[in-house]
Amino acid sequence: QVTLKESGPVLVKPTETLTLTCTVSGFSLSGPRRGVSWIRQPPGKALEWLAHIFSNDEKSYSTSLKSRLTISKDTSKSQVVLTVTNMDPVDTATYYCARIRALEIDLDQWGQGILVTV
Amino acid sequence: QSALTQPASVSGSPGQSITISCTGTSSDVGGHDFVSWYQQHPGKAPKLLISEVSDRPSGVSYRFSGSKSGNTASLTISGVQPEDEADYYCNSYTSSRTLVFGGGTKLTVL
Repeated sequence: QVTLKESGPVLVKPTETLTLTCTVSGFSLSGPRRGVSWIRQPPGKALEWLAHIFSNDEKSYSTSLKSRLTISKDTSKSQVVLTVTNMDPVDTATYYCARIRALEIDLDQWGQGILVTV
Repeated sequence: QSALTQPASVSGSPGQSITISCTGTSSDVGGHDFVSWYQQHPGKAPKLLISEVSDRPSGVSYRFSGSKSGNTASLTISGVQPEDEADYYCNSYTSSRTLVFGGGTKLTVL
């Protein structure tokens, strides 16, 4: 059974750096054709894709947020970490991690999300 | 990367068919077949409904189908049911090797 779970602070102050961790189970971060994406959703608003990382360490970032985002993975811990620098109240959102399938380029399994308030 | 364009809301009576459009550009929707659709009920995480324009993952109802013409993708729900009332989002891979979501569509079942 594939699961993903987000963890991190639920409250951060403006200008601080947010560090979120996605812990996965049921699949390997080193396995072929799989990766993890981060997506966020401000209260009452639409989903926004942030970044993804694949097993070969290929990374991609949202163009509008690229300067503030860093994604990395620790395969031995089955964790993917996202950092967002210089947090602002407009960054208040539920942050989700999701498994991305490299061949289909879709997000087939999602975590429950974590609401982060700035 | 601008968000893909979806209608803010659609509605239908039980048993009716409804279609939600998702318009992008030749750099995303029109450039390849990596378009997917997600259903999100209030307070829940999104769920994958359609992959690669029209593929339905195992466990997804046959009532959901997808298609694409040019820069516009579409999600059709045949025989809408009360439990289909939710928000729907399209997503596309882009020529910049990023992903982009649509603005979301709220489906109301009358």
